[in-house]
Amino acid sequence: GAVVSQHPSRVICKSGTSVKIECRSLDFQATTMFWYRQFPKQSLMLMATSNEGSKATYEQGVEKDKFLINHASLTLSTLTVTSAHPEDSSFYICSGGEGLGNEQFFGPGTRLTVL
Amino acid sequence: GQQVMQIPQYQHVQEGEDFTTYCNSSTTLSNIQWYKQRPGGHPVFLIQLVKSGEVKKQKRLTFQFGEAKKNSSLHITATQTTDVGTYFCAGRPKGGSASKIIFGSGTRLSIRP
Repeated sequence: GAVVSQHPSRVICKSGTSVKIECRSLDFQATTMFWYRQFPKQSLMLMATSNEGSKATYEQGVEKDKFLINHASLTLSTLTVTSAHPEDSSFYICSGGEGLGNEQFFGPGTRLTVL
Repeated sequence: GQQVMQIPQYQHVQEGEDFTTYCNSSTTLSNIQWYKQRPGGHPVFLIQLVKSGEVKKQKRLTFQFGEAKKNSSLHITATQTTDVGTYFCAGRPKGGSASKIIFGSGTRLSIRP
């Protein structure tokens, strides 16, 4: 299957700082990528749909000014958590597919801990 | 809003016993996918079902898509310790964005050796 990488895999930061997470499709092009958030032992909550060359589409309840998404190329999407607070601590996972309606390939995830 | 529910939330079985998780959507789906997430890992695609009433098998795993395309099930025969993990269904609402899928709440399977 296709490969999606995420960087960093783990980050610890102080409250008030911003953290950037990168999601790359290594062997396919993704016009659309998805960002999810997962709390321990819970399901994946879709945060936003990242569209290459245009604005991201955010799910209801997700602050677009807090979670900045940039999809600058067909292989890279970034999620920046701005002014992070302890409640933003979570597991963030991105996914992409080779075409609409196809299976999603997930990145390994980024565990964010805000102190 | 559109929801995809799964039951049970947890299942603890003896190795060798069967296991089934059920997925129910509040709306009709275009297709449904199943993923497995091992502890500490990320979701991995298992299968996609598209047709009404479709049944697919992968070794000891049997996947079904309901006639109304609103529910699905995953059945594992004779579980093994390697089956441990959380199983998620993910549905694509009919008439919605072709790229958007909604994940179910997941069923966490643990196994007694």
